[in-house]
Amino acid sequence: SQQGEEDPQALSIQEGENATMNCSYKTSINNLQWYRQNSGRGLVHLILIRSNEREKHSGRLRVTLDTSKKSSSLLITASRAADTASYFCATKREDSNYQLIWGAGTKLIIKP
Amino acid sequence: GAGVSQSPSNKVTEKGKDVELRCDPISGHTALYWYRQRLGQGLEFLIYFQGNSAPDKSGLPSDRFSAERTGESVSTLTIQRTQQEDSAVYLCASSLGVGVQETQYFGPGTRLLVL
Repeated sequence: SQQGEEDPQALSIQEGENATMNCSYKTSINNLQWYRQNSGRGLVHLILIRSNEREKHSGRLRVTLDTSKKSSSLLITASRAADTASYFCATKREDSNYQLIWGAGTKLIIKP
Repeated sequence: GAGVSQSPSNKVTEKGKDVELRCDPISGHTALYWYRQRLGQGLEFLIYFQGNSAPDKSGLPSDRFSAERTGESVSTLTIQRTQQEDSAVYLCASSLGVGVQETQYFGPGTRLLVL
């Protein structure tokens, strides 16, 4: 069964606005990763946050992790049309060195 | 450098036929993964190879599914007697090794349609 659940399922915003997506999970984790998937570039790793980290930044991306609530958020600032894609969170369970458990994704549309 | 490649990119087959999907991982990557992604869904883990260790086949949905890997190179995923519910995108990923921080690099996928 899927561990991660993203919400919202779909999000449509104007270019330039910020986009926030959330992910909840069920078991203890080693890390949580965010990926982007679009038809042009396939599935691409964006950012990894470890279970002992609370916040991480990469360019226009900001990820937070709250292990007490078993949730994470991905913020994309100053969105661009090229950010249109589906965004997935994937968790690496504490008892696994390799297996990722995936959510169903948030479909983000950036309107020009 | 070259990324993960998969072939074919699209495959249409008739119910009951066998299909073989191929994955070429990034050179030097010892770990290889197969996933299935149904339309509008996340990824389902199918199978994992690491070096010469026995593969983790725990995600294979039925005995119609099998996969092989030659050393640390090419892998093939075979689906026998395909069913319509096998229609999905099959994604392959590789990573340098395993560990808490290892990033998986994905191929473009094979879109399988079973009629």
